[in-house]
Amino acid sequence: GQQLNQSPQSMFIQEGEDVSMNCTSSSIFNTWLWYKQDPGEGPVLLIALYKAGELTSNGRLTAQFGITRKDSFLNISASIPSDVGIYFCVPTDSWGKLQFGAGTQVVVTP
Amino acid sequence: DTAVSQTPKYLVTQMGNDKSIKCEQNLGHDTMYWYKQDSKKFLKIMFSYNNKELIINETVPNRFSPKSPDKAHLNLHINSLELGDSAVYFCASSQVGGLMDEQFFGPGTRLTVL
Repeated sequence: GQQLNQSPQSMFIQEGEDVSMNCTSSSIFNTWLWYKQDPGEGPVLLIALYKAGELTSNGRLTAQFGITRKDSFLNISASIPSDVGIYFCVPTDSWGKLQFGAGTQVVVTP
Repeated sequence: DTAVSQTPKYLVTQMGNDKSIKCEQNLGHDTMYWYKQDSKKFLKIMFSYNNKELIINETVPNRFSPKSPDKAHLNLHINSLELGDSAVYFCASSQVGGLMDEQFFGPGTRLTVL
């Protein structure tokens, strides 16, 4: 079956540092999404990528859809305390079904 | 104001009981979903409904029965609860359920089976 690997599993960083995380898949996808889950809340969409090679920014967030359509990365620049949470890469199949990665837990210390 | 709401927020019950979780969305969306998040934070889709019709039904035990009385509501009924059902259950909705539709998630219901 399809394998989805998200890394790192967790990150402990200091406020102001940059954060990088990535996902690789054994299958090709047409859409890659990145969601964030705050503690005690449901996931919220951060960035959507629809074309291979696409690089998209949303404030301090930058994400890219890999040219092979099997991978994606998310960068967060100049982290702040409210960046704490779990970040999920979520490739989407042609039926619109979301395939959540295992998540990257980000902890930001002052 | 709340877009996708779920009740209850917490549910603690004994093994073997039957329980329901309710979900409502006020976004006017046609498609609603139920997801299960386990203790390792893996999020997996269980069901989706489009305009009250079942679209996705993953390999979920038939003790779980979703019910959609209208397109703004998707409730989840669970019979004969087991220890392994303990998890956080999230409801979500999207406009039509297509590839480019954003899914909006509720705050989750933490179910604990003792």
